[in-house]
Amino acid sequence: NAGVMQNPRHLVRRRGQEARLRCSPMKGHSHVYWYRQLPEEGLKFMVYLQKENIIDESGMPKERFSAEFPKEGPSILRIQQVVRGDSAAYFCASSPDQGTNEKLFFGSGTQLSVL
Amino acid sequence: KQEVTQIPAALSVPEGENLVLNCSFTDSAIYNLQWFRQDPGKGLTSLLLIQSSQREQTSGRLNASLDKSSGRSTLYIAASQPGDSATYLCAVKSDGQNFVFGPGTRLSVLP
Repeated sequence: NAGVMQNPRHLVRRRGQEARLRCSPMKGHSHVYWYRQLPEEGLKFMVYLQKENIIDESGMPKERFSAEFPKEGPSILRIQQVVRGDSAAYFCASSPDQGTNEKLFFGSGTQLSVL
Repeated sequence: KQEVTQIPAALSVPEGENLVLNCSFTDSAIYNLQWFRQDPGKGLTSLLLIQSSQREQTSGRLNASLDKSSGRSTLYIAASQPGDSATYLCAVKSDGQNFVFGPGTRLSVLP
């Protein structure tokens, strides 16, 4: 059972370009979370999705950022017109269910660098 | 809104020492608390999960305790080794909220 897969591992974009980050959850997991981590800082929640639905996007900037988790295929975090401040590590996590026993499994992250 | 803090921010110990990392949270109505390890440039690896009804969990040299009433959890590492060097994060899951992470404790175990 493969773990949470994120790609690419490293992504370099110039200001104004689009960045697309992909996350394939563990098999059987229907809950996906995206987090952003800046150097020397903790993880900041961005968005929580279940299959085909955004459940909570309260941590995601309203402009330029969007996320989806289609019925088939990976979850996508999309950043349009990137700026230098978007440079960070973006982590995806998945879980099989919710409730008191919910446990997160993380991918290795995508390091986004905006030139 | 849940807030999570961790002390110390960084810790350096000689190999073989037992150590304690602390995690505090403001809202005691939690579902569970999870401890993670993060190596530089890598993702997070789950170490232990304590449900709200539990007091502690153990895995090898690691022991995590939970005191909901005081809003605290500790991660105890016995007989530390250089391979334990990493950043340790705690995360709290509450009803109606997503996992909230602490800023982490950066641990260095010196050979």
